[in-house]
Amino acid sequence: GNSVTQMEGPVTLSEEAFLTINCTYTATGYPSLFWYVQYPGEGLQLLLKATKADDKGSNKGFEATYRKETTSFHLEKGSVQVSDSAVYFCALSPYNTDKLIFGTGTRLQVFP
Amino acid sequence: NAGVTQTPKFQVLKTGQSMTLQCAQDMNHNSMYWYRQDPGMGLRLIYYSASEGTTDKGEVPNGYNVSRLNKREFSLRLESAAPSQTSVYFCASSAGTDTQYFGPGTRLTVL
Repeated sequence: GNSVTQMEGPVTLSEEAFLTINCTYTATGYPSLFWYVQYPGEGLQLLLKATKADDKGSNKGFEATYRKETTSFHLEKGSVQVSDSAVYFCALSPYNTDKLIFGTGTRLQVFP
Repeated sequence: NAGVTQTPKFQVLKTGQSMTLQCAQDMNHNSMYWYRQDPGMGLRLIYYSASEGTTDKGEVPNGYNVSRLNKREFSLRLESAAPSQTSVYFCASSAGTDTQYFGPGTRLTVL
């Protein structure tokens, strides 16, 4: 079946530190991969996505590369800010569907 | 740009009471979804609707019913609320491609 596994949090960093949040997936065929972000008290917003192997999604300084050989889609940012504090969800959409399967979410806390 | 709107934002129910959560989107999307979010479990799909007039069960449909009233609106009904339905509920919509757009959520507590 299809599933997403992401690292447990919270991840606690100082401002300007490097961020990696790991995400691996299990899927048949060729899924699309997503990172969604949820700021406190809000709904989820699409952060970035990649639809095929070796694609790199990027937005607001965040990036993730679709790695089929390692079934991974790790989220990275070179220098985090306090405003990046949020919960980050990795998700996949099986090929030719519009359903999403989410990981459990990783809370990021950035301190000044 | 309203996007996806949900009402109410908060609700407290007693066990056995019923209620309907409302969702509307103004993006002319065909597909709409209801999720619940619980600590440590991510988001789980309750029901979805691929088009007006059609609905299908997701991963956790028990205890819920849905109505796709028209292309814009997709409501979620709890006929007899239980404490296990305490959660945050999110509605989402998509054009049928893979990107979904989420509403702000409804926080429901069942006592």
